[in-house]
Amino acid sequence: SQTIHQWPATLVQPVGSPLSLECTVEGTSNPNLYWYRQAAGRGLQLLFYSVGIGQISSEVPQNLSASRPQDRQFILSSKKLLLSDSGFYLCAWSGLENIQYFGAGTRLSVL
Amino acid sequence: EDQVTQSPEALRLQEGESSSLNCSYTVSGLRGLFWYRQDPGKGPEFLFTLYSAGEEKEKERLKATLTKKESFLHITAPKPEDSATYLCAVHTSGSARQLTFGSGTQLTVLP
Repeated sequence: SQTIHQWPATLVQPVGSPLSLECTVEGTSNPNLYWYRQAAGRGLQLLFYSVGIGQISSEVPQNLSASRPQDRQFILSSKKLLLSDSGFYLCAWSGLENIQYFGAGTRLSVL
Repeated sequence: EDQVTQSPEALRLQEGESSSLNCSYTVSGLRGLFWYRQDPGKGPEFLFTLYSAGEEKEKERLKATLTKKESFLHITAPKPEDSATYLCAVHTSGSARQLTFGSGTQLTVLP
């Protein structure tokens, strides 16, 4: 069966520091991969999605970037974090049915 | 622009008190409507996909229905463990593989 791993679970970073969040999927090949951000009490905002290695689409202009160095690995990065980057970050994958399955999330606090 | 609106924002029920959550949408070309359950601090868990008006899906105490303008998630005789935030999302013909999420309904079932 397919599983999705996302880490770390919690992260506290100072303003101006770099960021790297990693997501990996097991048990499937060539998944579509997604990064979302969820503000408290709000829905999910799509940040990036990828249909293949090196193919990244950005939905929201911002301080973040994404990369897909391997088929089942998706990385969310920032060179310099802002206070407004705080939030709950979720990685997801989908296959042919377009059902998205989510990881456990990373709670990021920028202080 | 695709829009998804969920109501109510919050709902408190007594154990055994049945009710319904609403997800109304304004989209161009619905290709699928998805329901997810999200527990605090965790990633959303997939529940149902509905593809056409009149379709119904059931899982334990949950039943999802779909019309041309909205979807309902009916909860029959809920238990405290049904407490969670329920999210709906739509996939449309103009959005490749992305989903547009509503803000969710926070359900609390009191014992």
